[in-house]
Amino acid sequence: GENVEQHPSTLSVQEGDSAVIKCTYSDSASNYFPWYKQELGKRPQLIIDIRSNVGEKKDQRIAVTLNKTAKHFSLHITETQPEDSAVYFCAASPGNTGKLIFGQGTTLQVKP
Amino acid sequence: DGGITQSPKYLFRKEGQNVTLSCEQNLNHDAMYWYRQDPGQGLRLIYYSQIVNDFQKGDIAEGYSVSREKKESFPLTVTSAQKNPTAFYLCASSIHTRDGYTFGSGTRLTVV
Repeated sequence: GENVEQHPSTLSVQEGDSAVIKCTYSDSASNYFPWYKQELGKRPQLIIDIRSNVGEKKDQRIAVTLNKTAKHFSLHITETQPEDSAVYFCAASPGNTGKLIFGQGTTLQVKP
Repeated sequence: DGGITQSPKYLFRKEGQNVTLSCEQNLNHDAMYWYRQDPGQGLRLIYYSQIVNDFQKGDIAEGYSVSREKKESFPLTVTSAQKNPTAFYLCASSIHTRDGYTFGSGTRLTVV
């Protein structure tokens, strides 16, 4: 089955710097790759997603890139702010099953 | 709660007891999912259902059971066979199998 590896597990940056979180997946049939942000004590919320027919997608300060050949995708946050501090999860959806397989999560700390 | 409601928020279970976690959505979503979240392990899929009266096991289904008698409801029973049930349980739904999830606010289960 699908396996998703996420790195790093923790990431600390200064406010205004960029942050990059990387994920690799194992199932070449996976075709949907969302990213979720989970603030302390709250539910995960979808922040951006990308499908396998697209290489890059941007939404203001957030971007996601996908390399299908290498089977990895990355989340890029520019001009980080303290409110970006949270746990971020990547996920992959194998085929048309609808289920998402999540990475282990990255705790991002943005220092003022 | 964004259209998907989990109850209770906190639940305490004695050894050998079965407990049922509720998940209700009014989003008219076809697919529903149950995940377990443990520190440092991301979200692991327990069960999922793509349509009413049908559901499939996820990666960690042992010791759990579900039903999907109504489109709006997908309750999860944690049985006494689940040896380490203490965790945060998240329910999610999606319009269909190729979209991102909407998560509930979660139930924190503790064995006492």
